[in-house]
Amino acid sequence: QKEVEQNSGPLSVPEGAIASLNCTYSDRGSQSFFWYRQYSGKSPELIMFIYSNGDKEDGRFTAQLNKASQYVSLLIRDSQPSDSATYLCAVHPRAGGTSYGKLTFGQGTILTVHP
Amino acid sequence: DTEVTQTPKHLVMGMTNKKSLKCEQHMGHRAMYWYKQKAKKPPELMFVYSYEKLSINESVPSRFSPECPNSSLLNLHLHALQPEDSALYLCASSQDLGTGVTTDTQYFGPGTRLTVL
Repeated sequence: QKEVEQNSGPLSVPEGAIASLNCTYSDRGSQSFFWYRQYSGKSPELIMFIYSNGDKEDGRFTAQLNKASQYVSLLIRDSQPSDSATYLCAVHPRAGGTSYGKLTFGQGTILTVHP
Repeated sequence: DTEVTQTPKHLVMGMTNKKSLKCEQHMGHRAMYWYKQKAKKPPELMFVYSYEKLSINESVPSRFSPECPNSSLLNLHLHALQPEDSALYLCASSQDLGTGVTTDTQYFGPGTRLTVL
């Protein structure tokens, strides 16, 4: 079982629609959760982080975390062609362990927003 | 300011060359990271430095040698690389490590695109 799994994609949505990106993780003790956006040939860019159950909103982006279900998602409202990129889910272990500092990435979901 | 800078942007080297990648941050972060990313794959952790000490080495071959001269700088020395080492090399930094800070957010630099001939 992969430690962090994302919906396989690619995901294609029309401009103006809501894009929903999903991620599940296997380590129940994971503490922090991150969404990065990566354009082709560029480096990952932090979109959002979340560490408490519930929703966190930032502009058109909403991150949702459900620790009981070990599930984190990213919603992009009013999707724009400029949102077309690979979205990486990353999970950070609990503090104090030997793995602290090691982000575990999912394989990424390619999102295409078409006009 | 969440800027991490990396030089050079592109590097082409032969298998017998010695070269270095450089990374710099001025955010006061005390943890710095090297990642390797191949096409269509997520970043793969190589090394972590915490307070200028190497804290994680993900069993990286010795032809990659990291160095952290001070809290703002991170180098990756390359020697006798193989063509399969061609990749995007990413540096990242974060605020702290191991102090219980829950949001140890890592910020990435723009990367160095390395080609080994």
